Amino acid sequence: QVQLQESGPGLVKPSETLSLTCSVSGGSMTDYYWSWIRQPPGRTLEWVGYIFYSGIATYNPFLKSRVSISIDTSRNQMSLTVTSVTTADTAIYYCARRRSSYGYDFDFWGQGTLVTVSS
Amino acid sequence: QSALTQPASVSGSPGQSITISCTGTSSDVGGYIYVSWYQVHPGKAPKLMIYDVHNRPSGVSNRFSGSKSGNTASLTISGLQADDEADYYCISYVRSNTLFVFGSGTKVTVL
Repeated sequence: QVQLQESGPGLVKPSETLSLTCSVSGGSMTDYYWSWIRQPPGRTLEWVGYIFYSGIATYNPFLKSRVSISIDTSRNQMSLTVTSVTTADTAIYYCARRRSSYGYDFDFWGQGTLVTVSS
Repeated sequence: QSALTQPASVSGSPGQSITISCTGTSSDVGGYIYVSWYQVHPGKAPKLMIYDVHNRPSGVSNRFSGSKSGNTASLTISGLQADDEADYYCISYVRSNTLFVFGSGTKVTVL
């Protein structure tokens, strides 16, 4: 069974950089797209972006200028960086696996990690 | 980015059936088969319940079923059980460079 686990600082100061890691166990990252999805408090989910195992990333255009996703298949890890954060970036951040290259759904998720942007 | 419209809450007694709606537009729900549903228990990983409108992943109970009519997709839970109490979200592909649009979320309460 594939398992995903997010990790990283729970508190980031405004204007600084948010960095998170997603560790994948129980399966290979090969052949899949790996995503970041977030949920601000009291709001619905928002797609941040995803990366193919080959390293090609696609981002939500509303966040593209501040977001970067990378992948290290040898370590079974994916990373997220969000620069110049504001309080609007406060959210639960999930990593998830896109079920197939031909579908638009996610079959495995991490339990999420809360990141708070505050001074 | 507009969200898909879901009822804020739905409730039912054990054994009953409930239906959660997810309303979008012809650019998302109405235009494609790519509607999926997720169950989220607090503090736990979201779980895929339905994909491509009506397909169930392996291991998901057949008490969960999905359908679509026009711009509205629906998730039906039959034989409601206590463990079904959770938040449910729909996701659809959207014909734009944001690719995904999410539902507003529905809290299911088992009375």
